[in-house]
Amino acid sequence: GIQVEQSPPDLILQEGANSTLRCNFSDSVNNLQWFHQNPWGQLINLFYIPSGTKQNGRLSATTVATERYSLLYISSSQTTDSGVYFCAVSFGNEKLTFGTGTRLTIIP
Amino acid sequence: DVKVTQSSRYLVKRTGEKVFLECVQDMDHENMFWYRQDPGLGLRLIYFSYDVKMKEKGDIPEGYSVSREKKERFSLILESASTNQTSMYLCASTTGTAGAFFGQGTRLTVV
Repeated sequence: GIQVEQSPPDLILQEGANSTLRCNFSDSVNNLQWFHQNPWGQLINLFYIPSGTKQNGRLSATTVATERYSLLYISSSQTTDSGVYFCAVSFGNEKLTFGTGTRLTIIP
Repeated sequence: DVKVTQSSRYLVKRTGEKVFLECVQDMDHENMFWYRQDPGLGLRLIYFSYDVKMKEKGDIPEGYSVSREKKERFSLILESASTNQTSMYLCASTTGTAGAFFGQGTRLTVV
């Protein structure tokens, strides 16, 4: 099956800093999503981005499908950005395969 | 907005009980999934369904079954709960073209 690797596993930043999270995947996909898991455990959709670039406020994401990676950018980090960020991929109707996540901690 | 609702946020059950976890989505999505999440093991797929009355085993189906009698509802059943099924359970639905949407999760403790 598809393998998904996320880096870094942990990231600690000062409030106001920018960050880049990376997701590498091992095979062709036509679905790639970024999620933020909130403190109560719910997975919140950030982006559905099988290719190209999208922006939503301080967050943006880019997927280069031909090179099998995606990047999530967070600018001007806030403490509410803390949590675990997951990348998940699939092809066709196949199951979503998740990476192991990046735990982001923003220090005031 | 897509809404996926799981029946319980927190649940405590006794070993050997039959447990039902319910998931309802309101966007007419064909595909629905049940995952469990455990520290150090990430999210693992238990079962999924592409349509009413259809089901497919995921990576860890042992000890679980599912039911999808109506398109909007996907139920996960623990036939005889055991302590190693203590976990966070997450339900999702998707069309396959707009990504997956998750419910709020159910933290199940089996004592």
